[in-house]
Amino acid sequence: DSGVTQTPKHLITATGQRVTLRCSPRSGDLSVYWYQQSLDQGLQFLIQYYNGEERAKGNILERFSAQQFPDLHSELNLSSLELGDSALYFCASSDGGDEQFFGPGTRLTVL
Amino acid sequence: DQQVKQNSPSLSVQEGRISILNCDYTNSMFDYFLWYKKYPAEGPTFLISISSIKDKNEDGRFTVFLNKSAKHLSLHIVPSQPGDSAVYFCAASGYYGQNFVFGPGTRLSVLP
Repeated sequence: DSGVTQTPKHLITATGQRVTLRCSPRSGDLSVYWYQQSLDQGLQFLIQYYNGEERAKGNILERFSAQQFPDLHSELNLSSLELGDSALYFCASSDGGDEQFFGPGTRLTVL
Repeated sequence: DQQVKQNSPSLSVQEGRISILNCDYTNSMFDYFLWYKKYPAEGPTFLISISSIKDKNEDGRFTVFLNKSAKHLSLHIVPSQPGDSAVYFCAASGYYGQNFVFGPGTRLSVLP
């Protein structure tokens, strides 16, 4: 158990819809990272927040957005969903060092 | 353009033998390198790391070697065990964990 929690575990929705994925980092960790893993592909970095502020941006689509709240939990919002958005979405947290601790992931299926 | 490459999608090794997983990177600004292991339906878990100022780091059965001039690192697992069967991701980051990039992963199968 990494200490990072993600909800929901599974999400099934239709094209064009909007969903919100939630992540609670390890206690004390200020950094939260979001990743997408599609069809046995490597982890694609989406975005990083540090203590409520966006720190780094990766391959995140404009239809996707994220935020980190004062209690340090983070949400990833995916809108105008397409079939290709079906993937595992992982959240990770760190205390500012290089090691990241990953949550169990949210499996999103877009039908 | 992949900054971190793992050119072997899969690797099969006999139990008790050595597993060698390779990783190449293109960005000379990477400062820290990590290996993660991932079982199906679980998030990746940290395995071992190495700073760019070192060329070797060892932790039990796992050793990571870094060749900065070749921009290459490798993970050695000796002896390999069936429980090591998983997908292994190589990752690299800049200073303070910025620009964190994962490779595509190598699926290791350790055969009993």
